[in-house]
Amino acid sequence: DVKVTQSSRYLVKRTGEKVFLECVQDMDHENMFWYRQDPGLGLRLIYFSYDVKMKEKGDIPEGYSVSREKKERFSLILESASTNQTSMYLCASSRPGQGYPGELFFGEGSRLTVL
Amino acid sequence: AQTVTQSQPEMSVQEAETVTLSCTYDTSESDYYLFWYKQPPSRQMILVIRQEAYKQQNATENRFSVNFQKAAKSFSLKISDSQLGDAAMYFCAYRSLGNQFYFGTGTSLTVIP
Repeated sequence: DVKVTQSSRYLVKRTGEKVFLECVQDMDHENMFWYRQDPGLGLRLIYFSYDVKMKEKGDIPEGYSVSREKKERFSLILESASTNQTSMYLCASSRPGQGYPGELFFGEGSRLTVL
Repeated sequence: AQTVTQSQPEMSVQEAETVTLSCTYDTSESDYYLFWYKQPPSRQMILVIRQEAYKQQNATENRFSVNFQKAAKSFSLKISDSQLGDAAMYFCAYRSLGNQFYFGTGTSLTVIP
């Protein structure tokens, strides 16, 4: 079975702490994504990456950074966590779609609470 | 940018009945892909069904089928013979040729025994 694994299902952090959310996929996918999910807002794209060491800003990159040093791993970093970053974070990967649907495969999500 | 609209925040259906979830999208592209994802209470998002825009025929996966109307930019999901395990949040998604994904705000489906 293909798999996207997020390192932590639940995290509780304090305001100002640095937070790392890790995501690993075993499908050799080029594309990886970080989304934030909030009730009534759906999924909003934070950052995505098309290749190792490549990153592109999504719709809500403020307060976040990412790292992709290896193809299978894509990390989301909150440099200084704030309470408005309390949310569910979803990692996903996909193969680039060239005449192919290229659907997303998701991890189980990381529920972050910032106190 | 493309937008995806799900106008039904919540829906309910009796077990064994049929329910249709609505989705509309806005795009200027002629070629793209559409998806329905399901997110059960355990939270992992899984693919339910996909549709290529260039295909006229509506996609079907067992009890799940879509009504794709390209001119109207509509992509509804029909669930037949609803089961308790169908209870979940359902998201409609659009993928552009540039590999960008756009999601609706979701529809929470309750299945009543």
